[in-house]
Amino acid sequence: DTAVSQTPKYLVTQMGNDKSIKCEQNLGHDTMYWYKQDSKKFLKIMFSYNNKELIINETVPNRFSPKSPDKAHLNLHINSLELGDSAVYFCASSQGTSGGSNTGELFFGEGSRLTVL
Amino acid sequence: AQSVTQLGSHVSVSEGALVLLRCNYSSSVPPYLFWYVQYPNQGLQLLLKYTSAATLVKGINGFEAEFKKSETSFHLTKPSAHMSDAAEYFCAVSDPGGYNKLIFGAGTRLAVHP
Repeated sequence: DTAVSQTPKYLVTQMGNDKSIKCEQNLGHDTMYWYKQDSKKFLKIMFSYNNKELIINETVPNRFSPKSPDKAHLNLHINSLELGDSAVYFCASSQGTSGGSNTGELFFGEGSRLTVL
Repeated sequence: AQSVTQLGSHVSVSEGALVLLRCNYSSSVPPYLFWYVQYPNQGLQLLLKYTSAATLVKGINGFEAEFKKSETSFHLTKPSAHMSDAAEYFCAVSDPGGYNKLIFGAGTRLAVHP
């Protein structure tokens, strides 16, 4: 039973198209994240939601729009795709903020590899 | 701002040899520190974490790491490498009391040869 699941796992599309990646977690966590891993394996946080509220928004182009319909889901919609958007996108979740009994561990999905042609 | 530096983008060891992957961090507050492993075409799996308790932390698959505040280091070690340890390893730092925003190092590719 997958804890953090992302769909699709692979996505190949043309420049200028709009695409979405979906993420669901069944861990009961209230915080979810999107990370981008580039071709050099570098991981950078994009967004984070806590109980459906946006709490982290790094300097990401506004073509990227996250949506959290409930705390178990965090979807990523990308408009007008560009070649530079090609990457692996990872969804993750954690139990609230760090500190106290929560030690800040993130649980990751298996990634969605986006290729823009 | 927090940051992580992993020394050596590629490390190669023989099977049975000691594994040492280096990580140095920068943080204005006492940090939480993590090591994650990524096998090919998979997500990240937590190996171990330091959260201000014991400075020597033991993780899965025989890995351990030691938090050294004076050296701002959190190096990952394993006494004897196994072929199955070949993967990408990431060190990460987060701010206790924050929103679990993990800042990752650039990763170290570990190769294990017979």
